[in-house]
This record gives sequence, C-alpha cells and structure tokens, in this order.
Amino acid sequence: GQSLEQPSEVTAVEGAIVQINCTYQTSGFYGLSWYQQHDGGAPTFLSYNALDGLEETGRFSSFLSRSDSYGYLLLQELQMKDSASYFCAVRDQSSASKIIFGSGTRLSIRP
Amino acid sequence: GAVVSQHPSWVICKSGTSVKIECRSLDFQATTMFWYRQFPKQSLMLMATSNEGSKATYEQGVEKDKFLINHASLTLSTLTVTSAHPEDSSFYICSAYYYGDTQYFGPGTRLTVL
Repeated sequence: GQSLEQPSEVTAVEGAIVQINCTYQTSGFYGLSWYQQHDGGAPTFLSYNALDGLEETGRFSSFLSRSDSYGYLLLQELQMKDSASYFCAVRDQSSASKIIFGSGTRLSIRP
Repeated sequence: GAVVSQHPSWVICKSGTSVKIECRSLDFQATTMFWYRQFPKQSLMLMATSNEGSKATYEQGVEKDKFLINHASLTLSTLTVTSAHPEDSSFYICSAYYYGDTQYFGPGTRLTVL
C-alpha cells in the first residue's frame, strides 16, 4: 500500500524558519506535492517535486530525495498567517490521477 | 486563474433527507473531478473519482448508493448524500486538475445532519 508520514504538530516563532518533513512509501512514484489548508478552508497548492532537489517559490521551498523516499517543506520568514495545516501528497499507484494525502502537520506560529 | 466553486458552502438538514452538493469548474473544462471528505483535524479522504459521461469510481469502503455522483457536463459534478445521518456530517471538498499536476480545490461544503 501507500503511506505518508508527517509530524502531527509543529510550533515556530514568527520570523523564523521551519521545516516540515514527509516520508512516503509507494510502489510507483509520480512526484510529491504540498498543500496548505487554513481552518475551515480548502487546500491550496503550494509546491510540487517530480525530481530530486529543491524547488523554491518565494518564502516556501520544497525538497525531494527519491532515494530516501523523503521530502520536506521549508517555510522562511514565518508570518502569523502561515498558521495552518500542511499536507504532503503523492499520486496513487493504481491511478496516477488520484492524489493520496498525508495525515497533515498543524503549524502554529507564536509571536 | 483556475477556479473551482462549490454550492452550497454550508448546509444543515434533518436526518433522513438528501442533500445535493454542486462542484463547478468556472473557467476550464474538467473531464475528471474528485470528491473528498474531511473530518475535523483529520486529513482529506478521497471518496470517489467523477468522470464526465460515465460512472464514478468509488474508493473502497464508500457506499455508492449513499453518495451518488453525477458528472453530466465538462464543468459540473454533483454529489448527493442520500438519506443523510448525523455520521455523514463532514466537510466535503471537490477538486479538478487544471493544468499538469496541479489540482485545484473547491472551497468546500460543510454538511451538518441533525
């Protein structure tokens, strides 16, 4: 089967840097995505890694190591509005169009 | 940019009634849409894949007779929760691919069954 593991909660200070890790197990791999979800809202796409390495989009970066089945989301210059849940996700092995989400990491930012 | 809308945004109904939730792709055509449900403080669980012009594909454990999906056009998929019960209360979200590997989500529908 497929599984994705993330820390359930992370707390950080405003202005700091935080890293949210994700390890996955899947027999077929089509890339690792990251989504942000604020309370009561829908998930919004943040980043996607198909190949090893770092993808940078403003304050957010995402890294992938396929050999280690591991990726992380890096958030810099944290702002209070970054308090949200963050999900890593992979394409389903049986149907590449389906996305399987990790359990999510709740990020809390302290002033 | 790509926008996926849902209607209604929230609904309260009595136990035993049916509720229809609409998911629309506003500025693009979506031959495939996805329906998720999410309980508080939990992840998104894929319920079914909605295919335009054909039957939906349900995930294991999802009752197809309870959660009816219709994808009658390239821009509209509907999810009907039939004979709703309190345990069906949840946040229902639809999504569609707009371009490449980016999946766009609707704003969600919060269903409360009394």
